[in-house]
Amino acid sequence: EVQLVESGGGLVQPGGSLRLSCAASGFTFSTYWIHWVRQAPGKGLMWVSRIKFDGITTNYADSVKGRFTISRDNAKNTVHLQMNSLRAEDTGVYYCVRGAKWAYFFDYWGQGSLVTVSS
Amino acid sequence: QSALTQPASVSGSPGQSITISCTGTSSDIGSYNYVSWYQQHPGKAPKLILYDVSNRPSEVSNRFSSSKSGNTASLTISGLQAEDEADYYCNSYTSSSTYVFGTGTKVTVL
Repeated sequence: EVQLVESGGGLVQPGGSLRLSCAASGFTFSTYWIHWVRQAPGKGLMWVSRIKFDGITTNYADSVKGRFTISRDNAKNTVHLQMNSLRAEDTGVYYCVRGAKWAYFFDYWGQGSLVTVSS
Repeated sequence: QSALTQPASVSGSPGQSITISCTGTSSDIGSYNYVSWYQQHPGKAPKLILYDVSNRPSEVSNRFSSSKSGNTASLTISGLQAEDEADYYCNSYTSSSTYVFGTGTKVTVL
């Protein structure tokens, strides 16, 4: 069974940093793109970032570029999202999402981790 | 990277059909057949219901269908059921090697 479990969320002050982790199981982790998608409270979905299975190719939404860094450890089946210079508008539930193989959609989602940026 | 445009809400009676539009640009929907749709019930993670414009995962009801014309994609739910009441989001790959979601549509079953 495919599982994606996020951790590391919490309350952080504006300008602060937080590191989210996503632990994957139930599939050959090293052959899939992994994405982060966030959802502000009561709002819609926003794609944040993705990382290729080789751990080298990454992409970011304009609103987080230069502040967020995605990385992965294929030996530990884990993806991280390092979030720096956090703003109130970064508040939301962050979902770890698997990209379908050789395709451009998202086939499995984690349950999400809540990040709250507030003083 | 502006969000794709969807109607805020759509409603219908049980058994009816409804259609949700998703309008983008020539840099996303208009350039790729990589449009997908997701259903989200309150408090739950989104679930894939359609991909590559019109393909449906095997476990998803055939009451869900979709299409694309130019810069606009559409999701149709036929034979509307109470369990279809949820939020629906479209998504497209973009020419910037990123992804963009729609603004979301709340479906209400009257």
